[in-house]
This record gives sequence, structure tokens and C-alpha cells, in this order.
Amino acid sequence: EDKVVQSPLSLVVHEGDTVTLNCSYEVTNFRSLLWYKQEKKAPTFLFMLTSSGIEKKSGRLSSILDKKELFSILNITATQTGDSAIYLCAATSGTYKYIFGTGTRLKVLA
Amino acid sequence: NAGVTQTPKFQVLKTGQSMTLQCAQDMNHEYMSWYRQDPGMGLRLIHYSVGAGITDQGEVPNGYNVSRSTTEDFPLRLLSAAPSQTSVYFCASRGGWEVGSRETQYFGPGTRLLVL
Repeated sequence: EDKVVQSPLSLVVHEGDTVTLNCSYEVTNFRSLLWYKQEKKAPTFLFMLTSSGIEKKSGRLSSILDKKELFSILNITATQTGDSAIYLCAATSGTYKYIFGTGTRLKVLA
Repeated sequence: NAGVTQTPKFQVLKTGQSMTLQCAQDMNHEYMSWYRQDPGMGLRLIHYSVGAGITDQGEVPNGYNVSRSTTEDFPLRLLSAAPSQTSVYFCASRGGWEVGSRETQYFGPGTRLLVL
């Protein structure tokens, strides 16, 4: 059975801290790993990763994929209160399916 | 571009009632899908479609029907609502599935459904 597991489930940090969110997957016909940020409503896209070891960066956020060990991490440096959200990881398979993890709830305190 | 739109935003149903959640996209996307999101469960795929006239089941299809008569619209039907279907429902769409394409999905704003 395909599955995606995220850890930790929740995290509380102070502004300025660096956080690392984890995502492991077991998916048949794996194609890509995606990260989303979900605030009050719909998830919004952050990164798509298809190749091992190539870091994707966007401002203070970065992510990398390890296809041998079947995991990805999302790093957020110098966190801000606006980073408070649920971060979702999803793996895509060759059968048009997205398998989502349960998410990591991040709260950044001022 | 309005992107992905969903109606209604919020709905209360009684057990046994039926209703249709509407989803439309104006990006000419082939792929559309429906998810439900429950606390502690993440997003779970209900049904998806890879083009007009083509639909398939996802992870949790029971109690839901879909059809895709046009590229733009992908309604989700609850035939006989049950309290277990209380959830937030998201519709999403994306372009083709060819190798190298951008595989991100664009999500609608969600429909919050309460079944009493």
C-alpha cells in the first residue's frame, strides 16, 4: 500500500529558529515529491522534486530529495510568524495518483 | 483566470440527503481530482479524471459519484449523505501528465460539509 509519512506532526518554534520537516514515502511507480503550504484554506505549491540530491530553494525555504532512502526534507531558516501553517508532502505515482502525508503543523511564536 | 472554483463554500445536510459539490477550472486542464481532508488524516483522494469522459476511483470512493462531461467541470455527488462524510472537500486540477511537465496541482478554496 502506498504511503507517505511526515514528521513531526506538530512543531512550535520561536521567530528566527531554523526548522526541518521530514517526509518519507513508499510509493509504487514513484515520479515526484511535492511540498505544499496550507494556511487557512487551500494548499499552495512550494516545491516539486524529481531528482536525488538537487536542492530546490525559494527564499528561506529549501528542499531536497533522497530517492535511495525514500525521503525528503523541507528546511525553513530564520522562521517568521507568517510561516505558521500546515506543511503537506505528497508523492506522485505513475497511475495519476497523489498520495499525501498527514502534514506537519508549524507554529512560529513572535 | 479564475483558476479552480468550488461551490458552495459551506453546506449543512441531514443524513440521507443528496447533494452535488461543484468544481470548475478555466485553465483547460486535463486532470481534475477530488480530495477530502479530515483532522489527522491529511488529504485523501476520492475520485479523479484524466479527461472528459474518463474518471477513476481514488483511495476513498465509497459514497461518492463523479462524472466529467466537459473539460471545465468535475462535480462530486453525494448520493445519501452520512455523518462520516463530514469533512472539507478540495477540488484540484493540473495540466498533462507527460514526463517533465509541471506536476503540481492547483487547489480550489474548498467546501466545508457538515452532515447531521
